[in-house]
Amino acid sequence: KQEVTQIPAALSVPEGENLVLNCSFTDSAIYNLQWFRQDPGKGLTSLLLIQSSQREQTSGRLNASLDKSSGRSTLYIAASQPGDSATYLCAVKGGGSTLGRLYFGRGTQLTVWP
Amino acid sequence: DAGVIQSPRHEVTEMGQEVTLRCKPISGHDYLFWYRQTMMRGLELLIYFNNNVPIDDSGMPEDRFSAKMPNASFSTLKIQPSEPRDSAVYFCASSANHFVGTDTQYFGPGTRLTVL
Repeated sequence: KQEVTQIPAALSVPEGENLVLNCSFTDSAIYNLQWFRQDPGKGLTSLLLIQSSQREQTSGRLNASLDKSSGRSTLYIAASQPGDSATYLCAVKGGGSTLGRLYFGRGTQLTVWP
Repeated sequence: DAGVIQSPRHEVTEMGQEVTLRCKPISGHDYLFWYRQTMMRGLELLIYFNNNVPIDDSGMPEDRFSAKMPNASFSTLKIQPSEPRDSAVYFCASSANHFVGTDTQYFGPGTRLTVL
């Protein structure tokens, strides 16, 4: 079964810092990997999606990389702002025998203080 | 579009009662997913439908849980009888084409269920 781990579990930083959130997964046979944002009391919002054949995706201050062979992804947040405070979840869409299932990590709870 | 709509947003019930959670997916989306989120287990897929047909229900915890999708615009997740360990946030999500590499899921706001 696919296992997704996120490190760190929580992060508290001052505004303006550049951040790296880490995600690792045990089965490299994935269809794609996504980073989601979850605000308290709300659903998940997709931030970036990397297909299995891609190495990275960028959107504004966010950059996500994927190293499928080593089972790792990182989410880089540049010049963090208080509005970035949320929980960030990594999810892999299974390939092979688990085709289609989404497996989520536990998330990194980010707090950016002014 | 209004996005994925879930009701109720909060539900408090007593052990043994039947609970029904409702979801309206985004119009035109062929895939619908039910997830459960708890502190202990994180976010777990319970079941998903394609064109109203259940495709993978291997995540449904036990027979007390059942899900239906009678038409393209409505789905229910029912728990009967409910137990305190069912307390969680239940999310519904939908997507247009789950097996296209760029496809993403759109989540509803969730239903927070508390079973006393």
